[in-house]
Amino acid sequence: EVQLVQSGAEVKKPGESLKISCKGSGYTFTSYWIGWVRQMPGKGLEWMGSIYPGDSDTRYSPSFQGQVTISVDKSITTAYLQWSSLKASDTAIYYCARHPGYTSGWAEYWGQGTPVTVSS
Amino acid sequence: DIVMTQSPDSLAVSLGERATINCKSSQSVLYSSNNKNYLAWYQQKPGQPPKLLIYWASTRGSGVPDRFSGSGSGTDFTLTISSLQAEDVAIYYCHHYYSVPWTFGQGTTVEIK
Repeated sequence: EVQLVQSGAEVKKPGESLKISCKGSGYTFTSYWIGWVRQMPGKGLEWMGSIYPGDSDTRYSPSFQGQVTISVDKSITTAYLQWSSLKASDTAIYYCARHPGYTSGWAEYWGQGTPVTVSS
Repeated sequence: DIVMTQSPDSLAVSLGERATINCKSSQSVLYSSNNKNYLAWYQQKPGQPPKLLIYWASTRGSGVPDRFSGSGSGTDFTLTISSLQAEDVAIYYCHHYYSVPWTFGQGTTVEIK
Protein backbone atom coordinates (compact mmCIF):
# COMPACT_ATOMS: atom_id res chain seq x y z
CA GLU A 1 0.00 0.00 0.00
CA VAL A 2 1.37 3.37 -1.05
CA GLN A 3 1.58 5.78 1.88
CA LEU A 4 2.93 9.27 2.43
CA VAL A 5 3.16 10.06 6.13
CA GLN A 6 3.93 13.62 7.13
CA SER A 7 5.40 15.00 10.34
CA GLY A 8 3.13 16.55 12.94
CA ALA A 9 1.73 19.99 13.51
CA GLU A 10 4.15 22.82 14.24
CA VAL A 11 3.80 26.10 16.13
CA LYS A 12 6.63 28.55 15.53
CA LYS A 13 7.51 32.19 16.00
CA PRO A 14 8.35 34.58 13.16
CA GLY A 15 12.01 34.35 12.23
CA GLU A 16 12.40 30.75 13.37
CA SER A 17 13.48 27.94 11.06
CA LEU A 18 11.49 24.80 10.30
CA LYS A 19 11.85 21.54 8.42
CA ILE A 20 8.84 19.28 7.87
CA SER A 21 8.97 15.79 6.44
CA CYS A 22 7.09 13.35 4.23
CA LYS A 23 7.96 9.66 4.39
CA GLY A 24 7.03 7.47 1.47
CA SER A 25 6.45 3.72 1.68
CA GLY A 26 4.88 0.91 -0.31
CA TYR A 27 6.49 1.86 -3.62
CA THR A 28 9.87 2.53 -5.24
CA PHE A 29 10.59 5.92 -3.68
CA THR A 30 13.19 6.92 -6.26
CA SER A 31 10.85 6.42 -9.23
CA TYR A 32 8.24 9.10 -8.53
CA TRP A 33 8.32 12.83 -7.94
CA ILE A 34 7.22 14.30 -4.62
CA GLY A 35 5.53 17.68 -4.75
CA TRP A 36 4.60 20.11 -1.99
CA VAL A 37 1.28 21.99 -1.96
CA ARG A 38 0.29 24.87 0.33
CA GLN A 39 -3.24 25.54 1.54
CA MET A 40 -3.62 28.74 3.53
CA PRO A 41 -6.50 28.93 6.02
CA GLY A 42 -9.82 28.77 4.18
CA LYS A 43 -8.11 29.08 0.81
CA GLY A 44 -7.29 26.99 -2.24
CA LEU A 45 -4.32 24.92 -3.32
CA GLU A 46 -0.92 26.21 -4.45
CA TRP A 47 1.86 24.07 -5.92
CA MET A 48 5.19 25.04 -4.37
CA GLY A 49 7.62 22.72 -6.11
CA SER A 50 8.64 19.12 -6.65
CA ILE A 51 11.67 16.89 -6.27
CA TYR A 52 12.71 13.65 -7.95
CA PRO A 53 14.31 11.43 -5.28
CA GLY A 54 16.19 9.43 -7.90
CA ASP A 55 18.61 12.27 -8.63
CA SER A 56 17.34 15.14 -6.40
CA ASP A 57 16.27 17.16 -9.46
CA THR A 58 14.18 19.96 -7.94
CA ARG A 59 11.79 22.39 -9.57
CA TYR A 60 10.17 25.34 -7.82
CA SER A 61 7.20 27.52 -8.55
CA PRO A 62 8.59 31.04 -9.09
CA SER A 63 6.37 32.23 -6.22
CA PHE A 64 8.22 29.98 -3.80
CA GLN A 65 11.74 29.96 -5.28
CA GLY A 66 14.11 31.33 -2.65
CA GLN A 67 11.43 31.21 0.05
CA VAL A 68 11.65 27.48 0.81
CA THR A 69 14.00 24.58 0.19
CA ILE A 70 12.86 21.15 -0.94
CA SER A 71 15.20 18.23 -0.31
CA VAL A 72 15.21 14.46 0.00
CA ASP A 73 17.02 11.68 1.82
CA LYS A 74 16.40 8.62 -0.31
CA SER A 75 18.14 6.34 2.19
CA ILE A 76 15.17 6.85 4.50
CA THR A 77 12.60 7.51 1.73
CA THR A 78 11.80 10.95 3.09
CA ALA A 79 11.27 14.31 1.44
CA TYR A 80 11.54 17.62 3.25
CA LEU A 81 10.28 21.18 3.04
CA GLN A 82 12.18 23.78 5.00
CA TRP A 83 12.17 27.46 5.84
CA SER A 84 15.13 29.44 7.19
CA SER A 85 13.06 32.32 8.55
CA LEU A 86 9.32 31.89 8.95
CA LYS A 87 6.76 34.64 8.50
CA ALA A 88 3.21 34.84 9.79
CA SER A 89 2.06 34.46 6.18
CA ASP A 90 3.58 30.96 6.12
CA THR A 91 0.72 29.80 8.35
CA ALA A 92 -0.95 27.05 6.33
CA ILE A 93 -1.41 23.33 5.87
CA TYR A 94 1.34 21.80 3.76
CA TYR A 95 0.69 18.63 1.81
CA CYS A 96 3.16 16.36 0.07
CA ALA A 97 1.91 14.41 -2.91
CA ARG A 98 3.35 11.82 -5.28
CA HIS A 99 3.19 12.42 -9.00
CA PRO A 100 4.37 10.16 -11.79
CA GLY A 101 6.64 12.54 -13.63
CA TYR A 102 7.64 16.14 -14.01
CA THR A 103 5.35 16.44 -17.01
CA SER A 104 2.72 14.29 -15.30
CA GLY A 105 1.75 16.52 -12.43
CA TRP A 106 -1.40 14.77 -11.32
CA ALA A 107 -1.09 13.39 -7.81
CA GLU A 108 -2.85 10.16 -6.86
CA TYR A 109 -1.33 9.85 -3.39
CA TRP A 110 -1.23 12.58 -0.78
CA GLY A 111 0.10 12.92 2.73
CA GLN A 112 -2.28 13.79 5.54
CA GLY A 113 -1.00 17.37 5.72
CA THR A 114 1.19 19.22 8.22
CA PRO A 115 -0.41 22.31 9.82
CA VAL A 116 2.11 25.06 10.44
CA THR A 117 1.20 28.04 12.63
CA VAL A 118 3.53 31.02 12.77
CA SER A 119 2.61 33.51 15.47
CA SER A 120 4.39 35.73 17.92
CA ASP B 1 1.24 31.97 -15.32
CA ILE B 2 -1.80 30.08 -16.59
CA VAL B 3 -4.86 31.21 -14.66
CA MET B 4 -7.53 28.61 -13.97
CA THR B 5 -11.03 29.98 -13.45
CA GLN B 6 -13.82 27.74 -12.22
CA SER B 7 -17.53 28.35 -12.42
CA PRO B 8 -19.69 28.49 -10.50
CA ASP B 9 -18.04 29.18 -7.14
CA SER B 10 -20.70 27.05 -5.50
CA LEU B 11 -23.72 25.01 -6.49
CA ALA B 12 -26.49 23.15 -4.75
CA VAL B 13 -27.85 20.03 -6.42
CA SER B 14 -30.56 17.59 -5.35
CA LEU B 15 -29.54 14.04 -4.54
CA GLY B 16 -29.50 11.94 -7.70
CA GLU B 17 -29.30 14.96 -9.97
CA ARG B 18 -26.41 16.03 -12.22
CA ALA B 19 -23.74 18.47 -11.08
CA THR B 20 -21.57 20.28 -13.62
CA ILE B 21 -18.45 22.27 -12.83
CA ASN B 22 -16.60 24.28 -15.44
CA CYS B 23 -12.92 25.21 -15.59
CA LYS B 24 -11.39 27.64 -18.07
CA SER B 25 -7.65 28.12 -18.52
CA SER B 26 -6.16 31.43 -19.65
CA GLN B 27 -4.22 29.58 -22.34
CA SER B 28 -4.43 26.14 -23.89
CA VAL B 29 -3.21 23.19 -21.81
CA LEU B 30 -3.36 20.84 -24.82
CA TYR B 31 0.10 19.64 -25.79
CA SER B 32 -0.03 19.18 -29.55
CA SER B 33 2.80 16.64 -29.80
CA ASN B 34 0.86 14.00 -27.82
CA ASN B 35 -2.68 15.41 -28.05
CA LYS B 36 -3.03 15.32 -24.27
CA ASN B 37 -4.69 17.93 -22.09
CA TYR B 38 -2.56 18.54 -19.02
CA LEU B 39 -5.48 18.93 -16.65
CA ALA B 40 -6.64 17.14 -13.49
CA TRP B 41 -9.59 17.37 -11.11
CA TYR B 42 -9.51 16.85 -7.36
CA GLN B 43 -12.11 16.53 -4.62
CA GLN B 44 -11.39 17.85 -1.13
CA LYS B 45 -13.55 17.20 1.91
CA PRO B 46 -13.13 19.18 5.16
CA GLY B 47 -10.08 18.15 7.14
CA GLN B 48 -8.82 15.85 4.40
CA PRO B 49 -6.16 16.10 1.69
CA PRO B 50 -7.31 16.39 -1.91
CA LYS B 51 -8.31 13.22 -3.72
CA LEU B 52 -7.52 12.71 -7.39
CA LEU B 53 -10.62 12.21 -9.53
CA ILE B 54 -9.53 12.80 -13.13
CA TYR B 55 -6.23 13.28 -14.99
CA TRP B 56 -5.40 13.93 -18.63
CA ALA B 57 -8.76 15.77 -18.58
CA SER B 58 -10.86 12.61 -18.90
CA THR B 59 -9.09 9.60 -17.34
CA ARG B 60 -10.63 8.51 -14.03
CA GLY B 61 -8.26 7.86 -11.16
CA SER B 62 -8.01 4.44 -9.57
CA GLY B 63 -11.16 3.53 -7.65
CA VAL B 64 -13.05 6.68 -8.64
CA PRO B 65 -16.77 5.97 -9.15
CA ASP B 66 -17.94 6.17 -12.75
CA ARG B 67 -20.47 8.86 -11.89
CA PHE B 68 -17.50 11.24 -12.08
CA SER B 69 -16.42 12.17 -15.60
CA GLY B 70 -14.19 14.80 -17.17
CA SER B 71 -14.41 16.35 -20.60
CA GLY B 72 -13.12 19.24 -22.64
CA SER B 73 -9.99 20.26 -24.50
CA GLY B 74 -7.73 23.23 -25.00
CA THR B 75 -9.00 25.89 -22.60
CA ASP B 76 -12.46 24.68 -21.57
CA PHE B 77 -13.10 21.72 -19.31
CA THR B 78 -15.98 20.21 -17.38
CA LEU B 79 -16.29 17.88 -14.41
CA THR B 80 -19.65 16.13 -14.28
CA ILE B 81 -21.14 14.18 -11.40
CA SER B 82 -23.93 12.28 -13.12
CA SER B 83 -25.98 11.43 -10.03
CA LEU B 84 -25.02 13.35 -6.91
CA GLN B 85 -24.59 11.31 -3.75
CA ALA B 86 -24.42 12.64 -0.20
CA GLU B 87 -20.75 11.73 0.03
CA ASP B 88 -19.96 13.99 -2.94
CA VAL B 89 -20.38 17.14 -0.82
CA ALA B 90 -16.94 18.71 -1.12
CA ILE B 91 -14.85 21.37 -2.80
CA TYR B 92 -13.66 20.52 -6.30
CA TYR B 93 -10.51 21.92 -7.90
CA CYS B 94 -9.18 21.83 -11.43
CA HIS B 95 -5.41 21.82 -11.84
CA HIS B 96 -3.16 22.27 -14.86
CA TYR B 97 0.32 20.76 -15.10
CA TYR B 98 1.12 22.06 -18.59
CA SER B 99 3.89 24.46 -17.61
CA VAL B 100 5.56 25.87 -14.53
CA PRO B 101 4.03 27.10 -12.35
CA TRP B 102 1.29 24.52 -12.09
CA THR B 103 -1.83 26.24 -10.82
CA PHE B 104 -5.24 25.33 -9.45
CA GLY B 105 -8.67 26.83 -9.91
CA GLN B 106 -10.17 28.66 -6.97
CA GLY B 107 -12.46 25.74 -6.12
CA THR B 108 -16.17 25.00 -6.48
CA THR B 109 -18.22 24.02 -3.45
CA VAL B 110 -20.86 21.38 -4.08
CA GLU B 111 -23.73 21.09 -1.61
CA ILE B 112 -27.01 19.21 -1.40
CA LYS B 113 -30.16 21.17 -2.25
